[in-house]
Amino acid sequence: EPEVTQTPSHQVTQMGQEVILRCVPISNHLYFYWYRQILGQKVEFLVSFYNNEISEKSEIFDDQFSVERPDGSNFTLKIRSTKLEDSAMYFCASSANDLNTEAFFGQGTRLTVV
Amino acid sequence: SQQGEEDPQALSIQEGENATMNCSYKTSINNLQWYRQNSGRGLVHLILIRSNEREKHSGRLRVTLDTSKKSSSLLITASRAADTASYFCATVYTGGGNKLTFGTGTQLKVEL
Repeated sequence: EPEVTQTPSHQVTQMGQEVILRCVPISNHLYFYWYRQILGQKVEFLVSFYNNEISEKSEIFDDQFSVERPDGSNFTLKIRSTKLEDSAMYFCASSANDLNTEAFFGQGTRLTVV
Repeated sequence: SQQGEEDPQALSIQEGENATMNCSYKTSINNLQWYRQNSGRGLVHLILIRSNEREKHSGRLRVTLDTSKKSSSLLITASRAADTASYFCATVYTGGGNKLTFGTGTQLKVEL
């Protein structure tokens, strides 16, 4: 069964460093998303991406964040200068069409900023 | 704010029993989706129910939607220990863009 894959599964980084979280969405899907879940809290929307551009972003997704689909298969989330409060589980998701169809999530990357 | 709330927050049952989780939301939706999350793992999609649907089934799962009460329920019948997980509802709000708004989740524990 097709699945969304994310790498790495865990990432520890020092405050102020840049991190890139990688995702391979399901191959025939057109919409891509990043969400995050701070430990013990709700899953929060960060950004959606369609047709090679950001279609929507939340207040969390400030100038420190960027997304890219560099090669037609990977979908990356970059955090330019990490802060302690960026520590969370980051989930990539994709959907075949817009969210009138199911969104499929990856296993997540646990980011720890120290 | 447009946030879903599940109840109960935690539920502990014996294997073989049914588990019912509820979700409430605040404004008009296009659809509502239920997800399962095993401890520290990814989100697994369970069922999507559209605003014009009232009930859907998938295996041992039954989801209902009452748009007049702005609520949904997830019923797991004949529960198994492997059903132990957190269950979340997530809504796509009408006019709220192409994003899921997740609820707080119900932690289900199924004991042998």
